[in-house]
Amino acid sequence: EAGVTQFPSHSVIEKGQTVTLRCDPISGHDNLYWYRRVMGKEIKFLLHFVKESKQDESGMPNNRFLAERTGGTYSTLKVQPAELEDSGVYFCASQGINEKLFFGSGTQLSVL
Amino acid sequence: LAKTTQPISMDSYEGQEVNITCSHNNIATNDYITWYQQFPSQGPRFIIQGYKTKVTNEVASLFIPADRKSSTLSLPRVSLSDTAVYYCLVGDYHSGGYQKVTFGTGTKLQVIP
Repeated sequence: EAGVTQFPSHSVIEKGQTVTLRCDPISGHDNLYWYRRVMGKEIKFLLHFVKESKQDESGMPNNRFLAERTGGTYSTLKVQPAELEDSGVYFCASQGINEKLFFGSGTQLSVL
Repeated sequence: LAKTTQPISMDSYEGQEVNITCSHNNIATNDYITWYQQFPSQGPRFIIQGYKTKVTNEVASLFIPADRKSSTLSLPRVSLSDTAVYYCLVGDYHSGGYQKVTFGTGTKLQVIP
C-alpha cells in the first residue's frame, strides 16, 4: 500500500516569501494531521482534518499559516509570508478510523 | 492530553535487550499507549500499541503495569539498525475514530557495535 507522501522534501526560501507544502494521505484515510518540529524542540501538533473539514486547528501558530484539504483528499499548508521562526520539519500524518497514525517523511523548510 | 516523560538518550550494545520506560502519570481512563520509532530524515513509524498488561508483536513488547502510569518498550536483541528516536505517546480514540496525541522529547537510542 502506498504511504503518506509529502512534497517537497526540502524547501529553502527567503523571509517574506510564500511556500506551499503538500501532503497526499493514504487513500481512504479520512483523518489527516499536520505536525511541526522546529530545531531543538518537540514535535508539535498543528491541525487535524476529518475529510475536508478542520476538526481541530488549535496548534496553528498564527494567521500566516493556512491549511486546506479540498475534496477530502490531499492537503496543502501554506505559509505566507514566511518568517525565520517558521523553519523546521513539517510532518503530515493520515489515519483510518481507530487505526494508527501513518507519517510522511516530512518537508524540511528553511527560511533565510 | 497526558504528558509523557522519557529518558533523553540511551546507549546499548548490539545483541542486548533494550528497555525504554515512559512515565504518564495523568493518563486518562480511555487513553491508549503507543510507541513510535523515528529515523533521521523520516517520519515517525508505528511500533506497538497497548492499553494494559502486555502486548507483543514481531518487533517489540510493551509492558503496562496495572496502574498504567508508566509503560516499558522492550526491544529484543537490538542491532545497529535500531538506532533511532523512540517516542511514547498517549491519547484516546474519539467518537470519530481519530486520535490526538502529544509528542514528548523521545528517547534517542544509540546501538553500539
